[in-house]
Amino acid sequence: EVVMTQSPATLSVSPGERATLSCRASQSVRSNLAWYQQKPGQAPRLLIYGASTRATGIPARFSGSGSGTEFTLTISSLQSEDFAVYYCQQYNNWPPITFGQGTRLEIK
Amino acid sequence: QVQLQESGPRLVKPSQTLSLTCTVSGDSIGSGGYYWSWIRQHPGKDLEWIGYFYFTGSTFYNPSLQSRVTLSADTSKNRFSLKLSSVTAADTAVYYCARARAGIHEFWGQGTLVTVSS
Repeated sequence: EVVMTQSPATLSVSPGERATLSCRASQSVRSNLAWYQQKPGQAPRLLIYGASTRATGIPARFSGSGSGTEFTLTISSLQSEDFAVYYCQQYNNWPPITFGQGTRLEIK
Repeated sequence: QVQLQESGPRLVKPSQTLSLTCTVSGDSIGSGGYYWSWIRQHPGKDLEWIGYFYFTGSTFYNPSLQSRVTLSADTSKNRFSLKLSSVTAADTAVYYCARARAGIHEFWGQGTLVTVSS
């Protein structure tokens, strides 16, 4: 099973600033990595797949990078609606599909 | 727009079987190309993938749950189902259904909280 580890667990950033979230895989997942955003009481929403491709309707301030075992989600200028929990998920080696434990992005 | 909606009992007794159904609109589960997924989230915790149903009838399960999980579908009603047997309190979670393309979960249901308690 591929273990996904996200850091930090909580990130405090001011609106308008840049946020950088990290995700590490226990073995290479090539570029088969997705990012999701989850707000309280809602289902996760797909942001990024293929490590760097934005899903339909996702604003350009969200960008993903990385391959192999190290990945980054960057939000270039935080808006109020961006404060949420973010999960990475690998789909290279499955079953099982595996998710990271999440990074909570909070307002500083 | 693809929409998914979970339904089923919200309270299940320990040792019994949890049964949920996901009704799909805006797409046909029998048309191929997508995996129909179940994912759960324990309160305040991580996302855990349960398994996939593919339109051919193939199923793929999380090894950690494989002995207790059965996924199936009724293409005539455009819905797919989850059965999880011998439940315990550890199975209390929000259960989501989703449509996945090659492992990418594009569309999700709103989720349903299932509590295991006597």
